[in-house]
Amino acid sequence: DTGVSQDPRHKITKRGQNVTFRCDPISEHNRLYWYRQTLGQGPEFLTYFQNEAQLEKSRLLSDRFSAERPKGSFSTLEIQRTEQGDSAMYLCASSPGVGGDRLKGTEAFFGQGTRLTVV
Amino acid sequence: GESVGLHLPTLSVQEGDNSIINCAYSNSASDYFIWYKQESGKGPQFIIDIRSNMDKRQGQRVTVLLNKTVKHLSLQIAATQPGDSAVYFCAENSGPGGTSYGKLTFGQGTILTVHP
Repeated sequence: DTGVSQDPRHKITKRGQNVTFRCDPISEHNRLYWYRQTLGQGPEFLTYFQNEAQLEKSRLLSDRFSAERPKGSFSTLEIQRTEQGDSAMYLCASSPGVGGDRLKGTEAFFGQGTRLTVV
Repeated sequence: GESVGLHLPTLSVQEGDNSIINCAYSNSASDYFIWYKQESGKGPQFIIDIRSNMDKRQGQRVTVLLNKTVKHLSLQIAATQPGDSAVYFCAENSGPGGTSYGKLTFGQGTILTVHP
């Protein structure tokens, strides 16, 4: 499978617990993004990595959220002290970045997402 | 501003008809737009993209039209099939100065239902 891979696909956790999600981008894509999607809405941007550097964070990303991409390949998103309002689909996307065919370099490809339910 | 909505617009068509899905975007500085298809329980799937220096781009059975004057984007699907049934989102690049491609602001989705 050469697409964006996310693990786990589903996670049910009790309020107050910590959870961690993993994203494996398309090989050699140097840009990686995290989005959150709630029912009936489009995905909302959370954060963005260029290689291992986290270059942008949304105001949606409270201090309970932390994302890493230590070697510029896979990324993890951790939520500490989960709240019921954190229940959502967490989507990861990757893109090759600018270069070559500029239009193609900007395509963002999404994974299947991790569905988080906080009870 | 961002487009949000709890009640998504719906479009119902018969198999074989052409479908047109519309989207209004908010940022006049956006220079890159994408249409995504999202099936239930899955992540968004790339359909077609267009840059702001173009007003039309065609793919296989799909055409995207961009009207920058009124900040309007449309997706045309020819000979719609039941497998096209999904939620369709438009998205605009919202990164500053073109340095954050992939940071997208999504519009309100449209539910497309294709009846056999």
